[in-house]
Amino acid sequence: SQQGEEDPQALSIQEGENATMNCSYKTSINNLQWYRQNSGRGLVHLILIRSNEREKHSGRLRVTLDTSKKSSSLLITASRAADTASYFCAMMSGTYKYIFGTGTRLKVLA
Amino acid sequence: EADIYQTPRYLVIGTGKKITLECSQTMGHDKMYWYQQDPGMELHLIHYSYGVNSTEKGDLSSESTVSRIRTEHFPLTLESARPSHTSQYLCASSDWQGDTSYEQYFGPGTRLTVT
Repeated sequence: SQQGEEDPQALSIQEGENATMNCSYKTSINNLQWYRQNSGRGLVHLILIRSNEREKHSGRLRVTLDTSKKSSSLLITASRAADTASYFCAMMSGTYKYIFGTGTRLKVLA
Repeated sequence: EADIYQTPRYLVIGTGKKITLECSQTMGHDKMYWYQQDPGMELHLIHYSYGVNSTEKGDLSSESTVSRIRTEHFPLTLESARPSHTSQYLCASSDWQGDTSYEQYFGPGTRLTVT
């Protein structure tokens, strides 16, 4: 990927466990967003964190941003089978374009 | 639920045919985008638009063209389809205020297969 790398590429956990996925990028950003994609569908926006923020919460989601390390993490707590999907970070850096990461495929086992 | 629509959802077409993928949104968003995504892979920006009569090429070289004659409509055209165009095409829109960007809303995608 030119701008965003995510790890792990795939993650398999049991229902009730926490899932953490990481995103690293290369340029300065205005904000970073996380999206979820169910198999074969469009993406759904989850959460946005601005470059001057360090942490943000939304329900069972917690996002952190470290601009000095050019990295972000998404934590999903108490995962459910319905959380099974691919998760993408997306960076916006001064233009109208969004650069997406490589994605993490999460599988939550019931 | 996002008010952004793509048609067709699935398309199988022969090599050399001209096709247009439709994308419409009813949210009045100025910014619209086309992405190409192979299964399980990252999204690649192929075209975007700031508003009516503005179009720009994205980061991925593409043999497609777009137009933006109306705010709500952003069709993508392939003049001559090839097997290498087989992929999923996602349309998205977003709203901006000043220097603040907001989330992108995505359509359900068009899965294109060129035989």
